[in-house]
Parts: sequence; structure tokens; C-alpha cells
Amino acid sequence: ETGVTQTPRHLVMGMTNKKSLKCEQHLGHNAMYWYKQSAKKPLELMFVYSLEERVENNSVPSRFSPECPNSSHLFLHLHTLQPEDSALYLCASSQVPAGGPHNEQFFGPGTRLTVL
Amino acid sequence: KNQVEQSPQSLIILEGKNCTLQCNYTVSPFSNLRWYKQDTGRGPVSLTIMTFSENTKSNGRYTATLDADTKQSSLHITASQLSDSASYICVVSAGSNAGKSTFGDGTTLTVKP
Repeated sequence: ETGVTQTPRHLVMGMTNKKSLKCEQHLGHNAMYWYKQSAKKPLELMFVYSLEERVENNSVPSRFSPECPNSSHLFLHLHTLQPEDSALYLCASSQVPAGGPHNEQFFGPGTRLTVL
Repeated sequence: KNQVEQSPQSLIILEGKNCTLQCNYTVSPFSNLRWYKQDTGRGPVSLTIMTFSENTKSNGRYTATLDADTKQSSLHITASQLSDSASYICVVSAGSNAGKSTFGDGTTLTVKP
């Protein structure tokens, strides 16, 4: 266990559904991340929350909406997804010193999302 | 453009043998380089992290090297085990910007009995 938990582990949803992915880190870190990993493709950074500020990848569609209520919890709200959004969604956390680099990230087990 | 290239794309070896995975990068300014192991359907797990001043780091049977001059890194696995079968991902971070971590495509290693 890495200290980062994700729920649910598997999710099947229709294109008109609204669902949320949850991530919780028990490591006392101050930065959290959402990644998308499609089949046979490298990890793609979607969003970063550092000291509860948001940094985003501008190529992420608006049907993905992150929420970070505190430094330990991170959500990814999903609505009107497309079949091509089916992928493994990974959450990660790290400890970022003030003004310092984003170093080692600890990943959760991921949520396997299938959009029908 | 920051890039991380890993080779080979896939590798099959027999249990007990050694192997070396390669990572070449063109990330600037360099902050650190990390190797992760990712089992199928699971999240990546960190193996090593190296900064500019470090040229080798070990974690059990895994040894990573870094040549900052040639911008190359390698991950050497000694006495491979069946549980080493996984994808190995090289990640290079630039500066202090969170969005500047560049991920390689990974090398898929299969260890056969």
C-alpha cells in the first residue's frame, strides 16, 4: 500500500451519467494529482493541486471537473463522458517544499473507468 | 520540446537473468529523474529518484544510473524474478513546475520461468 486510496476501483457508466472518483492520501502530502492512462499510452497529467491551488492541463475537456476540498482529498467529477474517455484514472500525491520541485509521487491503485 | 524516450519497448527474459532498460531525455532545466514499476492494472510504484548530482542509486535488485552530460539513464535488474514482470516507466521533471514532469512510454518486461 502506498498510502493513497482510490474509490471506486472499477466504474462502468453511460454517456449521460454523472459520477465522481475519489482519492484520499494518508501521507500528509501537500500536492495531489489526477492522471489518465489509456491502453498502451503513457501517463497523461490532467490536474494538479498544490497547496490547494489548481494547475491544469489545458487539453483536458470540461466534462472532467476536479475538486480538492483539502490537502488529503481529491475528487474528479465526470459528466457526459465519451467512450474514448475509458481508461485507468490514477491519483497521486507528493510533498512539495516551498518553491521546490515536485518530486516523488505516490500513486493510488487507480479507477478503471469504462464508458458505454 | 521536452521528451523522454525509453528502449526497448518490450523485453522478454528468463528468470534469473539480468537486464538493462534505457531512458534518454531532452528535458530542461533538469530537476530529477524517477523510475517507476507499474504492474498491470495498478498504479506505478517508485523505484528510485535521482537528482543532478547523483549518478547511481540502488533499491534491492534494481540499480539506476544517471549520466546528466549525455542525458541518459538506465535501470539494471539483477537476478530477475517472475514478479519483475511489469511496465517500467522513466519520468523526468523540469524545474519546479508541477506540470513539467515528462513521462516515457515505458518498457514492458516479461520474465519467463
